[in-house]
Amino acid sequence: EIVLTQSPGTLSLSPGERATLSCRASQSVSSNYLAWYQQKPGQAPRLLIYGASSRATGIPDRFSGSGSGTDFTLTISRLEPEDFAVYYCQQYGYSPGTFGQGTKLEIK
Amino acid sequence: QVQLQESGPGLVKPSETLSLTCAVSGYSISSGYYWGWIRQPPGKGLEWIGSIYHSGITYYNPSLKSRVTILVGTSKNQFSLKLSSVTAADTAVYYCARDWGGSTRPGYFDYWGQGTLVTVSS
Repeated sequence: EIVLTQSPGTLSLSPGERATLSCRASQSVSSNYLAWYQQKPGQAPRLLIYGASSRATGIPDRFSGSGSGTDFTLTISRLEPEDFAVYYCQQYGYSPGTFGQGTKLEIK
Repeated sequence: QVQLQESGPGLVKPSETLSLTCAVSGYSISSGYYWGWIRQPPGKGLEWIGSIYHSGITYYNPSLKSRVTILVGTSKNQFSLKLSSVTAADTAVYYCARDWGGSTRPGYFDYWGQGTLVTVSS
């Protein structure tokens, strides 16, 4: 199965700053089938990005995804207070679909 | 608006079978899509368990395949999960979600239930 490694494990930033989260796959992800989710404490994950760069319905345009092959990035252009959460990437190009271990974005 | 809601026992004894149901509203399962189960042990990451199409076609995570059964009940617009021979390692929050995958590959998940904590303990 494809292993996804997210970095950093924890990212400490202030509101208004730019956040860059990385997701690296152990092998090339087919057709850029890579998704990003946001999860807040006690809540289910929320789909942000699919197909590496397509925003899900209702997701603000400060969230953007990029990358291809084995290296993918989620960028939050200007952090809002509600953006501090855990972020997961998921590949769905090969079965089984797998998730990264998560990056915690915390307030500095 | 599509909504999903998990239900089932919150406590299961070791070696027994975990059984959960996901009720879907705002969308008819028989209209399409796969429908999946994902779990998250306390303080840990996400693991896909398996998914089912309204016709009953299923695909499972190989790591759990020998213990998992997912069924669909179109008459009640719901689907279910059974996980047999559970151990403490199966303690997790279990989520149901709509799966954009197909018969040959998995998908991403756009609508999720709120999740239900299942603890395996005697």
